[in-house]
Amino acid sequence: QVHLQESGPGLVKPSETLSLTCRVSGGSVTTSYWSWIRQAPGKGPECIGYMFYTGRTNYNPSFKSRVTMSIDTPKNQFSLKVNSVNAADTAVYYCASARRSGASYYFEYWGQGTLVTVSA
Amino acid sequence: STELTQAPSLSVSPGQTARIACSGDALSKHSGYWYQQKSGQAPTLVIFKDTERPSGIPGRFSGSGSGTTITLTITEVQAEDEADYYCQSTDNSDTYPVFGGGTKLTVL
Repeated sequence: QVHLQESGPGLVKPSETLSLTCRVSGGSVTTSYWSWIRQAPGKGPECIGYMFYTGRTNYNPSFKSRVTMSIDTPKNQFSLKVNSVNAADTAVYYCASARRSGASYYFEYWGQGTLVTVSA
Repeated sequence: STELTQAPSLSVSPGQTARIACSGDALSKHSGYWYQQKSGQAPTLVIFKDTERPSGIPGRFSGSGSGTTITLTITEVQAEDEADYYCQSTDNSDTYPVFGGGTKLTVL
């Protein structure tokens, strides 16, 4: 079974860049799609985007201008950067494996999540 | 923007059946998915492609769909089923996943 573990700073200052990494174990990053999902306090999950190991990405239009996802196949991990953060970006950030079914993508395995707070 | 609508809360007694609905136009052309999220934990996939159950999910969890609505049914509800349940599908432009607002299931 695939295991995912997020890592990165828990506190980011407004206007700076949020950077997170997801380490994958129990499977290879070359065999699936990978995604970042966030959940603001008391809200439902929100997909930030997903990517394939080839580097092909698809970002939620709500984030498109601020988000970059990348993958490091030798290290079996993938990363997220969100630029110009503000208080509304405070959330628990999850990495997840995504599977494709026709035009749909869904999330089979999730990391435990990491809380990122945007505050000065 | 794509919207998936869920009732915010549902209360049932142990042993009863819980039915959680999710509605949205996207469900008429895309599959629906259900996740269970217990307090302080990451979501867990409990139903995929409208009706299929991942290995390890108890048989009391089932899914169905018709038109623009999908339904998660939990028969013989147990105390451990108390959680938030989120539906998920695909946005109207067929590009990215979207989630419903969630239904909090309380087992009385």
